[in-house]
Amino acid sequence: GAGVSQSPRYKVAKRGQDVALRCDPISGHVSLFWYQQALGQGPEFLTYFQNEAQLDKSGLPSDRFFAERPEGSVSTLKIQRTQQEDSAVYLCASSLVEDQPQHFGDGTRLSIL
Amino acid sequence: ELKVEQNPLFLSMQEGKNYTIYCNYSTTSDRLYWYRQDPGKSLESLFVLLSNGAVKQEGRLMASLDTKARLSTLHITAAVHDLSATYFCASGGRTDKLIFGTGTRLQVFP
Repeated sequence: GAGVSQSPRYKVAKRGQDVALRCDPISGHVSLFWYQQALGQGPEFLTYFQNEAQLDKSGLPSDRFFAERPEGSVSTLKIQRTQQEDSAVYLCASSLVEDQPQHFGDGTRLSIL
Repeated sequence: ELKVEQNPLFLSMQEGKNYTIYCNYSTTSDRLYWYRQDPGKSLESLFVLLSNGAVKQEGRLMASLDTKARLSTLHITAAVHDLSATYFCASGGRTDKLIFGTGTRLQVFP
């Protein structure tokens, strides 16, 4: 596709459930990033992949958060045993390695009840 | 602590007026990005500033970068309603995470 695609667009889960969020980056983009955006705030970095290698996961808030990109294209962000504070918009971005901006998807709005 | 700070946080301006949004950063990167976000939407890339003294313009928006002062500005000329949105600056390396500012929520009224 022409842009970064994320699914689902909206996700509602009960506290304690596991969720999986999908990101399909722009074709050919090597770098893939996940960000968390709380209401009224700027996005905050979660994790970064270069191809299939997860090079930086320093932003993951706890060991309940797990991300993978097994074939270097589609990525999945998994949150286990969700808690209310996990409610946010999760944004995926991809970029070429060179001096290009990160292109963002529309995000997944996650609500934990 | 690596920080990116924007001001003002809120800006209400009349159509036709000029104004500047400021972005101060304390990160180690000298790459500065500006994004626009409409309510409920994702982030749209506006400008990429890669070197000291860089200036880029698109329509009524002009962005500049002063790496010595660790300051970037986004200048709005003769604002129109369509510019109403939240504007974020972000600092980041070539293949590095972006550190975003808190955003400036701009509202342009007639």
